[in-house]
Amino acid sequence: AQSVTQPDIHITVSEGASLELRCNYSYGATPYLFWYVQSPGQGLQLLLKYFSGDTLVQGIKGFEAEFKRSQSSFNLRKPSVHWSDAAEYFCAVVKGLGAGSYQLTFGKGTKLSVIP
Amino acid sequence: ETGVTQTPRHLVMGMTNKKSLKCEQHLGHNAMYWYKQSAKKPLELMFVYNFKEQTENNSVPSRFSPECPNSSHLFLHLHTLQPEDSALYLCASSPEGAQGTDTQYFGPGTRLTVL
Repeated sequence: AQSVTQPDIHITVSEGASLELRCNYSYGATPYLFWYVQSPGQGLQLLLKYFSGDTLVQGIKGFEAEFKRSQSSFNLRKPSVHWSDAAEYFCAVVKGLGAGSYQLTFGKGTKLSVIP
Repeated sequence: ETGVTQTPRHLVMGMTNKKSLKCEQHLGHNAMYWYKQSAKKPLELMFVYNFKEQTENNSVPSRFSPECPNSSHLFLHLHTLQPEDSALYLCASSPEGAQGTDTQYFGPGTRLTVL
């Protein structure tokens, strides 16, 4: 079975501090991995994605994520958090359903609060 | 701005009502999706439409009935819902027809409350 685990339900950081949100996946093959962000009252927006190649992926809004196969992780990082980064962050992995069909499987999310 | 709109944004309905959620995308995408987002649970994929054909029904109860009349519009018809169906219902679309590497673009969701 394939799953995505985000161990931290809620994280609070001070504005300007660095941030790391954890994501672990369980999948036998090379995964397709995504990070999405959901601001209050909004839908999800893609931050970045990893399919292959360079394991350090740059995304929008100054975020990056590093794929570590040995740790089955795809942690999201930002060197300096802004108040506008307060949102909920979702890690997701693509699950192949066969016959060219795919499904995104999401983690439960990590809510980020930012202290001014 | 994602280009995916959903109406209504909020809906309160009784268990005997019939209502419909609407999703519209003007991005020229070929795949559309319905997700359910409940508190403290991961997003649950409900339905996938690929080039207007339903390709996925994730064991969703028959009280939820999707409709995709064209590639730009997606509906979710609701009838005889239960209180546990209260959730945020998100619509999404993707360009290449539900491929694994596709980015999905989400609407803001409809907050549904079933009394």
